[in-house]
Amino acid sequence: NAGVTQTPKFRVLKTGQSMTLLCAQDMNHEYMYWYRQDPGMGLRLIHYSVGEGTTAKGEVPDGYNVSRLKKQNFLLGLESAAPSQTSVYFCASTDGDRGTYEQYFGPGTRLTVT
Amino acid sequence: DAKTTQPPSMDCAEGRAANLPCNHSTISGNEYVYWYRQIHSQGPQYIIHGLKNNETNEMASLIITEDRKSSTLILPHATLRDTAVYYCIVKGWNTNAGKSTFGDGTTLTVKP
Repeated sequence: NAGVTQTPKFRVLKTGQSMTLLCAQDMNHEYMYWYRQDPGMGLRLIHYSVGEGTTAKGEVPDGYNVSRLKKQNFLLGLESAAPSQTSVYFCASTDGDRGTYEQYFGPGTRLTVT
Repeated sequence: DAKTTQPPSMDCAEGRAANLPCNHSTISGNEYVYWYRQIHSQGPQYIIHGLKNNETNEMASLIITEDRKSSTLILPHATLRDTAVYYCIVKGWNTNAGKSTFGDGTTLTVKP
């Protein structure tokens, strides 16, 4: 049981390049989330999904797109990277069926945009 | 979801109990208190949650006051590995798609 995994762990992009971050969970969780964390700050929600085929915007969605084609995977895309998107990206999942929402997080992806 | 207030930092001696407070004076009747921690640059880790009764698991204990306006996370025998940022979050049952707002938390430093 690997929990929540994220690929890649590190990435450096040039301004204007695109990339996709992959989040995978093996806990059969319905809900998945993408957060970003800038240095010395708390986590901010980018996008989330309440089930396969559904996505919704979070607190800071601009410049990102997401897809949830399979229940176990949640992809975060940057179409045209900007230096302001330099951050650590965390994925999380939770089983919403019980009504309480303890979230389980991945190890993070450290992205630098130059 | 109700807002929470935590002290920005605390110290604790290794082997002693670490008591981390959280104020949530506007908490509603159906809102739970959750605690997470983030060690260095790792992903946050769920610790414990509760509604109104005190809760205990293998990691920590959660004490919620009778009026539910504040709570305390207790790490009974703190170790150096417990040095982390601790987040207190209040969230309603089955509301808001489980989205959580992580504030600045409390930076706990366990000293030898």
